[in-house]
Amino acid sequence: EDQVTQSPEALRLQEGESSSLNCSYTVSGLRGLFWYRQDPGKGPEFLFTLYSAGEEKEKERLKATLTKKESFLHITAPKPEDSATYLCAVSKNTDKLIFGTGTRLQVFP
Amino acid sequence: GAVVSQHPSRVICKSGTSVKIECRSLDFQATTMFWYRQFPKKSLMLMATSNEGSKATYEQGVEKDKFLINHASLTLSTLTVTSAHPEDSSFYICKPDTTYGYTFGSGTRLTVV
Repeated sequence: EDQVTQSPEALRLQEGESSSLNCSYTVSGLRGLFWYRQDPGKGPEFLFTLYSAGEEKEKERLKATLTKKESFLHITAPKPEDSATYLCAVSKNTDKLIFGTGTRLQVFP
Repeated sequence: GAVVSQHPSRVICKSGTSVKIECRSLDFQATTMFWYRQFPKKSLMLMATSNEGSKATYEQGVEKDKFLINHASLTLSTLTVTSAHPEDSSFYICKPDTTYGYTFGSGTRLTVV
């Protein structure tokens, strides 16, 4: 069965304290892996999409990496405004997305 | 990128009434719209896929008579929750197919009392 698992469920960081979020997946025929940011009461905001193992993408303090079994979202020197829920999703041979349950990140000043 | 406008952002309705949620594509024509549902602290779950001019495709376990989806034009897809009950309270979000990027609508918080 296709599955996406994110860890940790919640993460509290001091401002400037770098860390990584994990997304492990068991999907046959992966087409793409997506990272989204979601603020309370809002729709998900697209961050990255990765298509093949070894691929990396960066945006400001965020860097996403992909292997054959998992993806990491690295957050370097986070700021309080980075506080949000980070969602990982995979797609197979269609545009349907299978989501993980997310990591709730809180960054304290 | 593609802009999707979703309304209303919040709605409270009485049990037994129906609620319509709209998703409009503002700067593109969406032939396909995906409708997701999100429970508190849970994953987004795909409910159904709407296609312009044809019947929607529902995921397993989703009641098609309760969640009516209409995609009458290339710029408007609607989800109507019929005879709503408290267990239908949730966050509903739409998303067009990836031809137009990876943007989601802003979501609708439905509370049934």
